[in-house]
Amino acid sequence: ETGVTQTPRHLVMGMTNKKSLKCEQHLGHNAMYWYKQSAKKPLELMFVYNFKEQTENNSVPSRFSPECPNSSHLFLHLHTLQPEDSALYLCASSQDPLGGSSYNEQFFGPGTRLTVL
Amino acid sequence: AQSVTQPDIHITVSEGASLELRCNYSYGATPYLFWYVQSPGQGLQLLLKYFSGDTLVQGIKGFEAEFKRSQSSFNLRKPSVHWSDAAEYFCAVGLMNTGFQKLVFGTGTRLLVSP
Repeated sequence: ETGVTQTPRHLVMGMTNKKSLKCEQHLGHNAMYWYKQSAKKPLELMFVYNFKEQTENNSVPSRFSPECPNSSHLFLHLHTLQPEDSALYLCASSQDPLGGSSYNEQFFGPGTRLTVL
Repeated sequence: AQSVTQPDIHITVSEGASLELRCNYSYGATPYLFWYVQSPGQGLQLLLKYFSGDTLVQGIKGFEAEFKRSQSSFNLRKPSVHWSDAAEYFCAVGLMNTGFQKLVFGTGTRLLVSP
């Protein structure tokens, strides 16, 4: 596997279900991100992890719970979602220079298409 | 607040014709600017980026973009469009001084290529 992988690619769940999205990066990066992509809206940054520590929670409802057990893996745990949470969820990774003067590219996975019934 | 505007939701271009996708940003400092492309069912792929220096930057797949500070613009161009260029294109600005790298995206422009 190369790059950033996400599983599952498609997920349909009821509002009372609990499910998890998985992201894995094979690039040796130190930062990982969750984005939400809804129709006709800009990509919304949800969470950022640097060196496994959460550095950003962009006012995301608590029904979304991230987990980053190591710098290569990122999970998004879902519970009691609403239909408006249906979207494409994208994971990305980058090599964050942590205060350096450069800005490194974020590499994106293919996304998980989530439908909440 | 920082923002990115892509005024065209859809654009249709004939195959072989030239293309320009517009992007305007609002950001107080010198911006880091990006163009990403998303094909159906795929994640985002970086086309090109501007950090500093030459204001005309070259990217992959024959794309280029020009940074114009006076107009707060970073328009994407291609001289001759191919059918495989049909996709959605996102402009983004990279923010600094947030403790981590953060991208703010525009709403995207969907490119349709007609025969």
